[in-house]
Amino acid sequence: SQQGEEDPQALSIQEGENATMNCSYKTSINNLQWYRQNSGRGLVHLILIRSNEREKHSGRLRVTLDTSKKSSSLLITASRAADTASYFCATDAQGGSEKLVFGKGMKLTVNP
Amino acid sequence: EAGVAQSPRYKIIEKRQSVAFWCNPISGHATLYWYQQILGQGPKLLIQFQNNGVVDDSQLPKDRFSAERLKGVDSTLKIQPAKLEDSAVYLCASSWTSGSFEQFFGPGTRLTVL
Repeated sequence: SQQGEEDPQALSIQEGENATMNCSYKTSINNLQWYRQNSGRGLVHLILIRSNEREKHSGRLRVTLDTSKKSSSLLITASRAADTASYFCATDAQGGSEKLVFGKGMKLTVNP
Repeated sequence: EAGVAQSPRYKIIEKRQSVAFWCNPISGHATLYWYQQILGQGPKLLIQFQNNGVVDDSQLPKDRFSAERLKGVDSTLKIQPAKLEDSAVYLCASSWTSGSFEQFFGPGTRLTVL
């Protein structure tokens, strides 16, 4: 079963614009991770945020986590054509086997 | 550092045939995962190994799928017999250990069942 749901399912923007993706989940978590998948590099880990953290930065990426709303957002600033990919949130539910459950993903297209 | 290796990259078989996939994780990674990713969906965990023991195989269709991780390093995933709905990309991933650690994914094996 899929825990996370990304929103929107698809987003098309121009290079240089910011892209925001949202993820909602259902059960309490230990951490939430964001991954990117494109045909060139496969599935790659972007950032991990733990349940006791509210915000985290990594380069042009900013992730927020609101455990009271069971939601997270991923912001990519100053987007580039190379950011074109599918983005997935994945959650590690509390009390389970620490396995990751991935959402269905969101397709981001950055037009040059 | 070498990444996660998988083979073959592509496989086409007919239904009811058997197929096997191989994975070599990053050296030193204790945890190994096999995921199934159907087109348009996120990866779904099939089985998780910690060293050579199974941690979670709750979503593995055990009537046709099997996996092993001999000596806690390489792993193989087998499907016997294959069904049309098994057409998917099979991803192998590894991490230092289970829990709150990033997973490193291999390039995947794209399986087409005709």
